[in-house]
Amino acid sequence: EVQLVQSGAEVKKPGESLKISCKGSGYSFTTHWIGWVRQMPGKGLEWMGTIYPGDSDTRYNPSFQGQVTISADKSISAAYLQWDSLKASDTAMYYCAKRVVNKELFDYWGQGTLVTVS
Amino acid sequence: EIVLTQSPGTLSLSPGERATLSCRASQSVPNRYLAWYQQKPGQAPRLLIYDASNRATGIPDRFSGSGSGTDFTLTISRLEPEDLAVYYCQQYVSSPLTFGGGTKVEIK
Repeated sequence: EVQLVQSGAEVKKPGESLKISCKGSGYSFTTHWIGWVRQMPGKGLEWMGTIYPGDSDTRYNPSFQGQVTISADKSISAAYLQWDSLKASDTAMYYCAKRVVNKELFDYWGQGTLVTVS
Repeated sequence: EIVLTQSPGTLSLSPGERATLSCRASQSVPNRYLAWYQQKPGQAPRLLIYDASNRATGIPDRFSGSGSGTDFTLTISRLEPEDLAVYYCQQYVSSPLTFGGGTKVEIK
């Protein structure tokens, strides 16, 4: 069974750093891209970027480039989303999702990590 | 960037009725590279439809997708109470990947 399990909810202050995780299981983690999607409170879905765990090739949405860092550790089947200096506007639910082979859509999603910056 | 506009914003229907959700793209989506997701309250999104009309694994056949070019439709043939959710379309023909703003389906 494919599973993506994300780290727990976080409450942070503006200016603090944060790294959240997403651990995959039940499939070949290194050969499937993992994407990150933001959902601000009461709003829609926004694609942030995608990483290929096999070689850490990363693609960013220009809107998020420079604002976050996406990384992966294939040895433990984990992907990460990181901020160096959080802002109140980073308050949102963040989802990781497994990308379908050869197409940029997402067939399995993590449960989400709620990040609150206040 | 391809902008996806979904309509209506909210759809309120009774169980058993047919729901028709629209997704219009700002430019043509070649190869019909459009997906639909369902997000129930408090849950992560779930893939329903890919390549405009192919149902994902385990999706009931009351969900169907159609369309091409710039106009796409998700149809729920007979609404059930569990279909209460927000539905999003997503294009994956070009970067950045973009989602529509969503259509909320309410059950009367």
